[in-house]
Amino acid sequence: GAVVSQHPSWVICKSGTSVKIECRSLDFQATTMFWYRQFPKQSLMLMATSNEGSKATYEQGVEKDKFLINHASLTLSTLTVTSAHPEDSSFYICSAREPGTSGRLETQYFGPGTRLLVL
Amino acid sequence: QKEVEQDPGPLSVPEGAIVSLNCTYSNSAFQYFMWYRQYSRKGPELLMYTYSSGNKEDGRFTAQVDKSSKYISLFIRDSQPSDSATYLCAMSGGGKLIFGQGTELSVKP
Repeated sequence: GAVVSQHPSWVICKSGTSVKIECRSLDFQATTMFWYRQFPKQSLMLMATSNEGSKATYEQGVEKDKFLINHASLTLSTLTVTSAHPEDSSFYICSAREPGTSGRLETQYFGPGTRLLVL
Repeated sequence: QKEVEQDPGPLSVPEGAIVSLNCTYSNSAFQYFMWYRQYSRKGPELLMYTYSSGNKEDGRFTAQVDKSSKYISLFIRDSQPSDSATYLCAMSGGGKLIFGQGTELSVKP
């Protein structure tokens, strides 16, 4: 099956710094990628939808100036948490969808996640 | 009220037991119904998906959807310790996935 990777797998940073997380589709081209956040014992919450070559669409309540998303190529999307604070500590998971399958959500593949801890 | 409700558990069963996991939902526009398995500190992996009401079977797993009751289920037969994970239901009707909270399952040898 298709593989999605994330880097780094975990990161610890000081409050006020920025952190960049990469999401790559390794063996397919993904016109659409999604970024989720998951707090302990809670569900995945969609943060934003990222389309290659265009601006990301953010969900209600997600600050687009704080969570910068760039989808510059068909295999790479990045999420930058700017001026991170302890409340941003969470598990960030991306997913990628194969092109031409917009009606088939089963072809959305998830990355392994990035655990962020802000001190 | 959440759009998707799922009992978080934890659920502990002996090896070989039949496991029943359930979700209810409130949005009648949902058309696709999925079950994901998530191991600790990993991303979710798709187990099964269904589009319409009825049953779908894949090996030891059976997914069931009852749109009239807005209720979906996942059954695991002959459960194994390797099935220990968190199981998330997810559904969509508008291009986005809405996840349940996840049920933590532990299968004891």
